[in-house]
Amino acid sequence: EIVLTQSPGTLSLSPGERATLSCRASQSVISNYLAWYQQKPGQAPRVLIYGASRRATGIPDRFSGSGSGTDFTLTITRLEPEDFAVYYCQQYGTSTAFGQGTKVEIK
Amino acid sequence: EVQLVESGGGLVQPGGSLRVSCAASGFSFSSYSLSWVRQAPGKGLEWISYITSNSATIYYADSVKGRFTISRDNAKDSLFLQLSSLRAEDTAVYYCARDDDGDNRIGYFDYWGQGTLVTVSS
Repeated sequence: EIVLTQSPGTLSLSPGERATLSCRASQSVISNYLAWYQQKPGQAPRVLIYGASRRATGIPDRFSGSGSGTDFTLTITRLEPEDFAVYYCQQYGTSTAFGQGTKVEIK
Repeated sequence: EVQLVESGGGLVQPGGSLRVSCAASGFSFSSYSLSWVRQAPGKGLEWISYITSNSATIYYADSVKGRFTISRDNAKDSLFLQLSSLRAEDTAVYYCARDDDGDNRIGYFDYWGQGTLVTVSS
């Protein structure tokens, strides 16, 4: 079973700043099958990134994913007010599992 | 427009049973695998079950294996989850999610429903 550990737990930033979120896997993720989701209060998750670095349809280019093997990163280059939310990573290379989430909050 | 709409949640006593449903529209339902993902109040996401387009392959998380049963009716564009032997720790919002991967393996989830809340309490 692959365990995903996200850090930090909470990220306090201001609009316009850069956000860097980390997702570390306990074993190598096959074929970099790693996705990132955004979830706002009272809403379902929305996929942002799949295959570690591919933006999903309609996702702004300020969101980017990178990484391989066991270390992955979601970067939001300039935070917009609507980007303050909880972010989850998911590996789907070996069965599937989600990380515990990173909350991006307004500083 | 792809839509997934869950229903059937509610309050149930420990040890009880419940069936939740997911009605799909806006895509070729019979061509896609689907999953159920749950989220306990204030907690993270937990994948719990997966079914392929033709129901030939089914997976469960260890936390629900033997208690929950996933099924689908392609003629009615519907996905189901039968929850049995319910425990307090099964209290959660239950989401259905469309799997992007067409193979017999779990992929990432490109569309989600709005969720239905199941509360297990006496």
